[in-house]
Amino acid sequence: GDQVEQSPSALSLHEGTGSALRCNFTTTMRAVQWFQQNSRGSLINLFYLASGTKENGRLKSTFNSKESYSTLHIRDAQLEDSGTYFCAASAYQGGRALIFGTGTTVSVSP
Amino acid sequence: EAAVTQSPRNKVTVTGGNVTLSCRQTNSHNYMYWYRQDTGHGLRLIHYSYGAGNLQIGDVPDGYKATRTTQEDFFLLLELASPSQTSLYFCASSGREGNTEVFFGKGTRLTVV
Repeated sequence: GDQVEQSPSALSLHEGTGSALRCNFTTTMRAVQWFQQNSRGSLINLFYLASGTKENGRLKSTFNSKESYSTLHIRDAQLEDSGTYFCAASAYQGGRALIFGTGTTVSVSP
Repeated sequence: EAAVTQSPRNKVTVTGGNVTLSCRQTNSHNYMYWYRQDTGHGLRLIHYSYGAGNLQIGDVPDGYKATRTTQEDFFLLLELASPSQTSLYFCASSGREGNTEVFFGKGTRLTVV
């Protein structure tokens, strides 16, 4: 089965509101990354976490390796936050390659 | 910020054609990766390498070869391209110890007609 389960698959937000994306892992992961994919297809690095919580502006991410999950919180959503968000994690096997979730498409409306 | 450069950015080829996608990283990273992205699948690992001359098989390797000629350069080869290989291809790199953050190139959009 899939080792990285991402939810929800789609999320609609109004400007100024917030929500959370979540990834569950079926195996122990050494680190997690979150990406935003822009309209041109480029992957923008949002966070890299080996543990704990990081915050950057209106985004905050947590990685709980013991309980095998990670979250990405968006607060005060803006139109430019629209896009597809991916979590990806590296296991202790497999040469550090990232295993990707299937993505969350976020749509922010006025 | 780590730099990973892919070329070409766009490529159209015919079924049965021969295609080489190139990737160069200038961050002295040991690990390099090739992924493909298709709708509904996220990114899937094709091949990866942990140094010059090394090659490891990923999760979707069929129809692809790869070669790591130097620490900086990693190539993906499609020797008999098929329409099922139409996809967005990403190259990435990461370091050896400690911080294992992975950095991606901007992608190559390949269309096989």
